[in-house]
Amino acid sequence: EVQLLESGGGLVQPGGSLRVSCAASGFTFSIYAMNWVRQAPGKGLEWVSGISGSSGNTYYADSVKGRFTISRDNSKNTLYLQMNSLRVEDTAIYYCAKVVYVGVALGGGFDIWGQGTMVTVSS
Amino acid sequence: EIVLTQSPGTLSSSPGERATLSCRASQSVSSSYLAWYQQKPGQAPRLLIYGASSRATGIPERFSGSGSGTDFTLTISRLEPEDSAVYYCQQYGNSTYTFGQGTKLEIK
Repeated sequence: EVQLLESGGGLVQPGGSLRVSCAASGFTFSIYAMNWVRQAPGKGLEWVSGISGSSGNTYYADSVKGRFTISRDNSKNTLYLQMNSLRVEDTAIYYCAKVVYVGVALGGGFDIWGQGTMVTVSS
Repeated sequence: EIVLTQSPGTLSSSPGERATLSCRASQSVSSSYLAWYQQKPGQAPRLLIYGASSRATGIPERFSGSGSGTDFTLTISRLEPEDSAVYYCQQYGNSTYTFGQGTKLEIK
């Protein structure tokens, strides 16, 4: 079964750091670009960051650039998001998602999503 | 950044009717990179359409996508009660993705 499973969410104070992970199974992880998408409580979807299959190229939304770092370990079939200098407005469910097209950096829709992990930034 | 504007904000329809959801971009979008999603409360989004008109795996034929340039449409023919959800369009361009603000579809 094709699956993505996020972990690592929790409560953190403003200015703090957190790393969330996404374990992939059921597909050849290394040949697909992966992304993080977040959704604040009661709000819409916001793309956060993406990474090519080879990890050579990374991309960020302006709202997180310089604070968040996306990475992947293809030997462990795992995607990561390191979040530093967290702000109250970063509070959201963080989803990892797989790009539908094989062999491209980014582009195309997201056909597989995890169940999400909640990150709460509050004092 | 390309801004996607969805309309209407909320759509109320009856089972068996046809629903038309619009997504307008602030500048031209590659059709290859236009997608539609369905999200129900407490669930992750589900890909319906990618490449503007290709149905994702397992998506019923009553869901269809069309459009090009700056105007795209998701059509749901013969609405069913389980189609009640929020629908988002998404585009990729200039190394970033953006989502529309969503259309809430209510089935009466």
